[in-house]
Amino acid sequence: NAGVTQTPKFQVLKTGQSMTLQCAQDMNHNSMYWYRQDPGMGLRLIYYSASEGTTDKGEVPNGYNVSRLNKREFSLRLESAAPSQTSVYFCASSEALTGANYEQYFGPGTRLTVT
Amino acid sequence: QKEVEQNSGPLSVPEGAIASLNCTYSDRGSQSFFWYRQYSGKSPELIMSIYSNGDKEDGRFTAQLNKASQYVSLLIRDSQPSDSATYLCAVNAPNQGGKLIFGQGTELSVKP
Repeated sequence: NAGVTQTPKFQVLKTGQSMTLQCAQDMNHNSMYWYRQDPGMGLRLIYYSASEGTTDKGEVPNGYNVSRLNKREFSLRLESAAPSQTSVYFCASSEALTGANYEQYFGPGTRLTVT
Repeated sequence: QKEVEQNSGPLSVPEGAIASLNCTYSDRGSQSFFWYRQYSGKSPELIMSIYSNGDKEDGRFTAQLNKASQYVSLLIRDSQPSDSATYLCAVNAPNQGGKLIFGQGTELSVKP
């Protein structure tokens, strides 16, 4: 079991470029999440998918789009990168059927720098 | 008011001491509570879950929950330098499926 995997691990973009961050989980979880983490700001939820076929905005969705491709995969797209999107991005998943299944498991993260 | 609050630290304890990490939350409807450990440059790792009032022990870790006071804590006994990390408290967002609300984290430093 690989758990939650993310690609790429590191990326440098120029302002205005686009890219897609990939996330996959092999735990048969229903729900998947994208967070960003900045110094002093903690983890902030960008988008989440409660189940296959659904997506919802989190706390900081502006400048991002997501796709829940299937139950395993959840991608995050930056259409026109801005320096303010320089951050560490984490994907997480959880079974999320009942309270006892709300435990979220995180991928290793993508470190993105926008110049 | 922040929904989940933690002391930012840093909290410094000597090796072998008990480290006490605290967290308060604002929504009385929350029912699931989690502690994550995050080493510098790494992703958050789930170390404890607690759902009922009282204590839950797992090795050197004890989570304590008091829903009436809206308070959850993590005690680390016999602290080791390898426990030095940032500890994140997370609470479920009621009626929002599996969504969790994270605190800002408390940085713990265990000195040899």
